[in-house]
Amino acid sequence: KAGVTQTPRYLIKTRGQQVTLSCSPISGHRSVSWYQQTPGQGLQFLFEYFSETQRNKGNFPGRFSGRQFSNSRSEMNVSTLELGDSALYLCASSYSGTETGELFFGEGSRLTVL
Amino acid sequence: AQTVTQSQPEMSVQEAETVTLSCTYDTSESDYYLFWYKQPPSRQMILVIRQEAYKQQNATENRFSVNFQKAAKSFSLKISDSQLGDAAMYFCAYRSALKQAGTALIFGKGTTLSVSS
Repeated sequence: KAGVTQTPRYLIKTRGQQVTLSCSPISGHRSVSWYQQTPGQGLQFLFEYFSETQRNKGNFPGRFSGRQFSNSRSEMNVSTLELGDSALYLCASSYSGTETGELFFGEGSRLTVL
Repeated sequence: AQTVTQSQPEMSVQEAETVTLSCTYDTSESDYYLFWYKQPPSRQMILVIRQEAYKQQNATENRFSVNFQKAAKSFSLKISDSQLGDAAMYFCAYRSALKQAGTALIFGKGTTLSVSS
């Protein structure tokens, strides 16, 4: 079974631009969540999608948005990039999100904002 | 709001020895889940062990075990017979059992574990 796939793995943007990151969950998984990982703030929850609906959202500005498609694939978008948005963005999937099982993480998308 | 604290930024252990990573958390909820995740240098996080708060028995997974002290809000990870492949960053994480919280995890800042031969 293929794992969680995130694309692109690395990207460089400049301040003010926008970026879209993609996440394909494990086949059959309907819950997708996103996390931002930085050396200073650590791992922080961005949002979770289940059946194309945002189920929960972390404390991030409105520049951060996401969506989920009918095939459970998810995208997150960051508009008007700031230097502080440089981070590793991790996607995680689970079957339904209501079970107590593990989240399966992708390898992440490393975003550098210049 | 819930918080998770890992007070040891770095730990080191010799192969075959035992090491304990500390984690404390703060919550007003009575039902929740606790996890230890491992992030090797390749960056893909994997679950090491999980504990349901309503279970008094400490979870064990092969060489990994936890010491869950609910009253003290402490959740430490013990790695026995340490191996070179255990070298990674370890994150303690909290998840509310409330349905509206979904799968959102609150992570500690992590502990980097190095293993020497």
